[in-house]
Order: sequence, then C-alpha cells, then structure tokens
Amino acid sequence: EMQLVESGGGLVQPGGSLRLSCAASGFTLRNYWMSWVRQGPGKGLEWVANIDHDGSQKNYIDSVKGRFTISRDNAQNSLYLEMNSLRAEDTAVYYCLKYGGWYFDCWGQGTLVSVSS
Amino acid sequence: QSALTQPASVSGSPGQSIAISCTGTSSDVGGGYNSVSWYQQYPGKVPKLVIYDVNKRPSGVSDRFSGSQSGNTASLTISGLQAEDEADYYCISFTSRNIYVFGSGTEVTVL
Repeated sequence: EMQLVESGGGLVQPGGSLRLSCAASGFTLRNYWMSWVRQGPGKGLEWVANIDHDGSQKNYIDSVKGRFTISRDNAQNSLYLEMNSLRAEDTAVYYCLKYGGWYFDCWGQGTLVSVSS
Repeated sequence: QSALTQPASVSGSPGQSIAISCTGTSSDVGGGYNSVSWYQQYPGKVPKLVIYDVNKRPSGVSDRFSGSQSGNTASLTISGLQAEDEADYYCISFTSRNIYVFGSGTEVTVL
C-alpha cells in the first residue's frame, strides 16, 4: 500500500525557517513526480511546488519562489520542503503528494506549520 | 496565478443531481491538457480523488460522480445526491506556466 508520512512542522517566528520531510513507502519514489500542497486554516487548497523524478525540474508558485526549495532523496525514499523567510500567510497544513499522471493518487496526512510571534 | 473559479456553495435534495463548475482560462483548464481532476474533502480529513483527466473515475469511486469539460470550464456532476456527498470539492488544473492551480472550492450541502 502506498503511504506518505510528513514530519517537521511546528511553530516558528516570522522570518524563521523549517524543513519538512515526507517519507514514502509502498512504491518506488524515483519513478514519480512529487508535490507539496498546503491548506491554510479554514481556507482552500493551494498547490505549492513540484519536482520531477530526479530533481532536475522544480516548479513553484510565485508567492514562495526564492523562499522555499523542494528537493528529494530517492535513495532515502524521501521528499523535502525547505522553507525560509516564513510569513504569517504561510501558516497551513502542508501535504506531501504523489502524482499518478496529471493528478494526485496518494496524499500524506499533512503536517501543520504555524508562523507566529 | 489566480485560483480557478468555483461557486462557493451548491445544494440539492437527496436523489437530485447537482453540478459544480470550475472556470479557468485558455492557459489552464482550456489549454488542451485534459488535466482537470476533482477532490472531495470532509472537514478535518485528507482530500480524496473522485475524478481525474477531466472525466475518468478512479476505482472505488461511485459512478454517481462524473466529469466533463467545455472550453475553459470543467464540471463535476453528482447524480442521485446522498447525505454522504456533503463535503467540500476542489478542482485543479495544470497550467501553461508548468504549475498547477486549484479551484476556490465548493461546499456541497444536502438539504
């Protein structure tokens, strides 16, 4: 069974940094594009970034460009999201996702990031 | 990239059919990618895929869910509405900028 488990969320002050991790199991990570999606409290879903099979292609929404970095370690079956210069508006549950094609066929349970002083 | 436009709420009585629209532009929904997928989310839960590639249904999803597209607008139709369909629904599309964009979300209420 495919499974994604996120970790690394927590409370951080504005301007601070966090590194989210996502452990994949039940499938071969290197065969798939992966993505991060977030959902602010009481808000809708927002696509954040994705990365191709070997990490050579990365795409981001404008609001996180230059602040967030997506990466992967296929040998460790792990996906990461390095988040710097965090803002209050980055407060959200962050989900790790696997692509099945154009769509997401596996979601993690999410990890909460709270940016507040 | 602005969110795709969905109605904030749609309601219907049990047994009725409802449709949720997802309107974008020629750079996303109408861009020829046939990439629109739909997710159902209950409060506090992880979203679940109900339609992918515009009109394909994953194994295990009720055939009461169907998808379609015309131009820049995709639609999710739920027929034979049931109480268990009460949830939030989101569309998402690939875009010409090589990023994805979600819809604003629709709350479905079963009267």
